[in-house]
Amino acid sequence: RKEVEQDPGPFNVPEGATVAFNCTYSNSASQSFFWYRQDCRKEPKLLMSVYSSGNEDGRFTAQLNRASQYISLLIRDSKLSDSATYLCAVFTSGTYKYIFGTGTRLKVLA
Amino acid sequence: DVKVTQSSRYLVKRTGEKVFLECVQDMDHENMFWYRQDPGLGLRLIYFSYDVKMKEKGDIPEGYSVSREKKERFSLILESASTNQTSMYLCASSKPGERRYFGPGTRLTVT
Repeated sequence: RKEVEQDPGPFNVPEGATVAFNCTYSNSASQSFFWYRQDCRKEPKLLMSVYSSGNEDGRFTAQLNRASQYISLLIRDSKLSDSATYLCAVFTSGTYKYIFGTGTRLKVLA
Repeated sequence: DVKVTQSSRYLVKRTGEKVFLECVQDMDHENMFWYRQDPGLGLRLIYFSYDVKMKEKGDIPEGYSVSREKKERFSLILESASTNQTSMYLCASSKPGERRYFGPGTRLTVT
């Protein structure tokens, strides 16, 4: 089993739709979680960190479910400019490993 | 504004050539990393460094070496390039345990 897993997609959604991605992790001791956005042929950039109580940044909401060992990213009112690959990352201080998922591709259609 | 720069955006090399990829960060970060990214395989860690002159193997170090003589600079070396090293190479830096800041990437083609 991979340490961090994401559905590769693509998720094709119409403009204005709400879309959600999950990212599962295998190490229950992991304690820091992140979502990155990567545009085609560009480097990944941090979208948001994920806090235990969940957090929101405009149209984006991140949640952590420790019991089921996954994080989620919800995008409301999707824009064409949201089209990108979304990578999750999980950090475990005990092993000092910072592991990226392979990414979920989102296409927002006009 | 934080910055990680890489020496080349695109590079074409021949099989057997020695290749140097350089990365510089201006954030005084202790940690620096080299990844390669291939379709379907995601980001794979090649080598990382926690301090000057220190280096640690990542998940796929074979065929690569690194050098960190100064805190701000981390170099990736392909001693003898092979076609299976054609990839996108991404450098990153961070404070311990915190988010990664990535450079723009170097797209290397080995022919």
